[in-house]
Amino acid sequence: GNSVTQMEGPVTLSEEAFLTINCTYTATGYPSLFWYVQYPGEGLQLLLKATKADDKGSNKGFEATYRKETTSFHLEKGSVQVSDSAVYFCALSESLWNTGNQFYFGTGTSLTVIP
Amino acid sequence: NAGVTQTPKFQVLKTGQSMTLQCAQDMNHEYMSWYRQDPGMGLRLIHYSVGAGITDQGEVPNGYNVSRSTTEDFPLRLLSAAPSQTSVYFCASSHRLAGVYNEQFFGPGTRLTVL
Repeated sequence: GNSVTQMEGPVTLSEEAFLTINCTYTATGYPSLFWYVQYPGEGLQLLLKATKADDKGSNKGFEATYRKETTSFHLEKGSVQVSDSAVYFCALSESLWNTGNQFYFGTGTSLTVIP
Repeated sequence: NAGVTQTPKFQVLKTGQSMTLQCAQDMNHEYMSWYRQDPGMGLRLIHYSVGAGITDQGEVPNGYNVSRSTTEDFPLRLLSAAPSQTSVYFCASSHRLAGVYNEQFFGPGTRLTVL
């Protein structure tokens, strides 16, 4: 079955440090991949997405590349800020002929950036 | 557009009480879903709907009912609240592009406590 596995947190970084949050997936077909961000007390917001292999999603300095050969979609940012402190979720969406669309989420990775 | 709205924001129930969590979207999205978020467990799908009159169970449907009489609304009913249903509930919607559901749009959440 489909699933998403992301690195466990919490992750604590100093401001301007490099960030990587690992995400790997299992899917039967050709899913779309997403990173969502959840700030304290809020719902999830789409951060970036990629819909096919080798696509790179990017937004607000964050990037992730859809790697089919390694079934991965790792999130990176070159220089984190305090305002990036949040929980990050990796997710996939796959359209299945018999059950419609399904979305799968990782368990989330909490990031804290300290000044 | 208001996007996805949820009411109430907070709710406290006693064991055995029933209530309805409201969810509405004004984006004419076909797909709507309910998740619960618990610490360390990420998002778990409760029920989802791919259109008015069509609903299906997700990963954790027991104790919850849904209906979809209109495209806009997707209420979640707790039949007899239990402390295990203490959680944060998120409603989300999505639309189909080129046959595939794209990213989900999330509401702000309802924080439910069952005593």
